[in-house]
Amino acid sequence: GENVEQHPSTLSVQEGDSAVIKCTYSDSASNYFPWYKQELGKGPQLIIDIRSNVGEKKDQRIAVTLNKTAKHFSLHITETQPEDSAVYFCAASRGNNNDMRFGAGTRLTVKP
Amino acid sequence: NAGVTQTPKFRVLKTGQSMTLLCAQDMNHEYMYWYRQDPGMGLRLIHYSVGEGTTAKGEVPDGYNVSRLKKQNFLLGLESAAPSQTSVYFCASSYPPAELFFGEGSRLTVL
Repeated sequence: GENVEQHPSTLSVQEGDSAVIKCTYSDSASNYFPWYKQELGKGPQLIIDIRSNVGEKKDQRIAVTLNKTAKHFSLHITETQPEDSAVYFCAASRGNNNDMRFGAGTRLTVKP
Repeated sequence: NAGVTQTPKFRVLKTGQSMTLLCAQDMNHEYMYWYRQDPGMGLRLIHYSVGEGTTAKGEVPDGYNVSRLKKQNFLLGLESAAPSQTSVYFCASSYPPAELFFGEGSRLTVL
């Protein structure tokens, strides 16, 4: 089955700097790669996703890149703000949520 | 605009006791899921349902049972709780199988 590894486990940046979180996956048949943000005491919430027919996707300050050959994908947050502080999870699946596997999470802290 | 609601939010059990977690969604979603979240392990799928009256095993189903008698509700049961089931449990729903909408979680401690 799919195995997703996520790095780093913790990341601290200054407000205004960029943050990058990286994930690798093992199943070459995976074609859907979402990123979820979990704020303290809340459930995870989808912030961006990418499918395997696309190499990059951007939504305002957030972007995701996918390298299918190397089987890795990354989340990029630019101009970080304190409200970006949260735990971020990557995931990979073949298109069905029942086979989706999540990374272990990255705790991002943005210092004002 | 409730979305996905989980009850209870907190529960403490003794080893061997039973309990049921209730998940309710008001988005008319076909698919519902139960996950557990443990430190350093991300989210792991316990059981899921693709429609009323259906259930299926996920990645870590042992020690849990589920039922989906109504489309809007998905129940997670522990028949004989063990300390290894201490975790935060999240219910989610989706339609179609893409974006997951999560509840706020239920923290269970088994002593």
